[in-house]
Amino acid sequence: DAGITQSPRHKVTETGTPVTLRCHQTENHRYMYWYRQDPGHGLRLIHYSYGVKDTDKGEVSDGYSVSRSKTEDFLLTLESATSSQTSVYFCAISERGPEAFFGQGTRLTVV
Amino acid sequence: AQKITQTQPGMFVQEKEAVTLDCTYDTSDPSYGLFWYKQPSSGEMIFLIYQGSYDQQNATEGRYSLNFQKARKSANLVISASQLGDSAMYFCAMREGYSSASKIIFGSGTRLSIRP
Repeated sequence: DAGITQSPRHKVTETGTPVTLRCHQTENHRYMYWYRQDPGHGLRLIHYSYGVKDTDKGEVSDGYSVSRSKTEDFLLTLESATSSQTSVYFCAISERGPEAFFGQGTRLTVV
Repeated sequence: AQKITQTQPGMFVQEKEAVTLDCTYDTSDPSYGLFWYKQPSSGEMIFLIYQGSYDQQNATEGRYSLNFQKARKSANLVISASQLGDSAMYFCAMREGYSSASKIIFGSGTRLSIRP
């Protein structure tokens, strides 16, 4: 199994509070991605990174920011959480090859 | 713009029958890759199969094969001899090109249910 860990696995937070999700890899893969999964929408790309300090927006980036200061860590921050950001968040890593490996997901509930 | 479409929200199939899950894609990049993932009720994402745009033959992995029709921009997943354990969500995904900024996008998924 690919070495990819998401933390926390579950979180409940209040509206308006900042939240940071962490994705950590031990594979030294160049690309890292954050997705959210909601019923009927599949996985939607929030932000992705193609190298240290190289990031770009995905399909649903509003309300989210990311940082990648070293190869192994990709952080997703909700600056001021809203109920619409209640979702399951997945991190993925890849090289240019034919696979992308996923973390186990983080279930975030904003109340 | 890069886009993946899965038009079957749900499917029911009898055990041991073959099943085809549809996926169409849109891209202007001649170089791309197509993926299929399985997500069982436990939630993890399991990689199934990959097809590169320049691959001459359809990809196969055990009971899974990818019916790649480039001119029609379709990449259907075929599961032969379905099993109860195949019941899951299935996602088609695409990565465009080999530029430095290479993102992977997903379709909305198909929920497959296998009847005994």
